[in-house]
Amino acid sequence: EAGVTQSPTHLIKTRGQQATLRCSPISGHTSVYWYQQALGLGLQFLLWYDEGEERNRGNFPPRFSGRQFPNYSSELNVNALELEDSALYLCADRGGGRYEQYFGPGTRLTVT
Amino acid sequence: GQNIDQPTEMTATEGAIVQINCTYQTSGFNGLFWYQQHAGEAPTFLSYNVLDGLEEKGRFSSFLSRSKGYSYLLLKELQMKDSASYLCAVRDPQAGTALIFGKGTTLSVSS
Repeated sequence: EAGVTQSPTHLIKTRGQQATLRCSPISGHTSVYWYQQALGLGLQFLLWYDEGEERNRGNFPPRFSGRQFPNYSSELNVNALELEDSALYLCADRGGGRYEQYFGPGTRLTVT
Repeated sequence: GQNIDQPTEMTATEGAIVQINCTYQTSGFNGLFWYQQHAGEAPTFLSYNVLDGLEEKGRFSSFLSRSKGYSYLLLKELQMKDSASYLCAVRDPQAGTALIFGKGTTLSVSS
């Protein structure tokens, strides 16, 4: 089966702009998790969507938001970009009765 | 609060055995995971422990002691391709089903 996919691979924005990142889970899987991996900070949980609803969010400001579509793909929006938002944004899914999460290849966001 | 600690860096030689430790303090516990992440790539799942004891999977084994809040990942017969970051993560029911990650241990394997 195809894995988790993310687009774009790389994204370059300037401070104050908005960024939109996309993720598609494995077909039939309904849960999508977003994580941020900034240099030196490790992976930090951002948002969890399941069955079209936001189920939980991590300790991030409201300018990090997103949604999940009826086909379970998801979008992460980051408004009013700041330099420290530069990071690898990873999407993961969990399904098929598994406990572990499987990650997509990530989107590298650079804010200049 | 939630805190997961791992050593920042470790080095080892090809063919050797290395043990990467992880200690955790979380509000709740519903499983511990180990992931491998090569530079510039996404993390890949290695192991899952929810009960105390050792889980073996080929050259990799993972151990858990819930009473001590402690886990380790054991890598045997090290190969150069094992050079990567190893991430310890805990699922805390207080955070739903999201994973709480440590900062990772960068392992360098030399010949």
